[in-house]
Amino acid sequence: SQTIHQWPATLVQPVGSPLSLECTVEGTSNPNLYWYRQAAGRGLQLLFYSVGIGQISSEVPQNLSASRPQDRQFILSSKKLLLSDSGFYLCAWSNYTGRSGNTIYFGEGSWLTVV
Amino acid sequence: AQTVTQSQPEMSVQEAETVTLSCTYDTSENNYYLFWYKQPPSRQMILVIRQEAYKQQNATENRFSVNFQKAAKSFSLKISDSQLGDTAMYFCAFMKQDKRRFNDMRFGAGTRLTVKP
Repeated sequence: SQTIHQWPATLVQPVGSPLSLECTVEGTSNPNLYWYRQAAGRGLQLLFYSVGIGQISSEVPQNLSASRPQDRQFILSSKKLLLSDSGFYLCAWSNYTGRSGNTIYFGEGSWLTVV
Repeated sequence: AQTVTQSQPEMSVQEAETVTLSCTYDTSENNYYLFWYKQPPSRQMILVIRQEAYKQQNATENRFSVNFQKAAKSFSLKISDSQLGDTAMYFCAFMKQDKRRFNDMRFGAGTRLTVKP
């Protein structure tokens, strides 16, 4: 079965510091990968998606970036965090095959507080 | 562009009773998928149920069922025999069935459901 893990679960970072959130998927190959952000009490906002290694598309211009160095690894980064970057970040995956095709599955999420 | 609307920001239900959460969407597509996700206090997003638009039969998963009205673009979630563990934020979501590889999912703003003992 497929699993998705992201870490760290909780992060408190000062303004201007760098960020790295990591996500890995197991049990599937060549998945679509996603990073979403959820502000407090709000819905989900798609930040980045990737359809393959090294292929990153950004939905929202901001000071965050994403990378996909391996097929099942997705990393969310920032060189200098802003207070407005605080929120709950969710990594997710989907693929086109099998019974789960065209369904997005989410990781456990990472709480980021920028102070 | 597709939009998903959940008109009930908050709802509550007594334990063991039935509750229905509403969702409407706007699209010009004919082939798509609809989903309900549950987000408990732990914040992890959990898939509750999925409906393929080409299927007329409403999807069912144990105590969860949907009422899919394609012409009306309505996709409501019914929770029967509500349990305390059903307390969560519920998100309705839409995804096009597209020939491109990328599947873009659009979410509603969510409905916060509280099950009362």
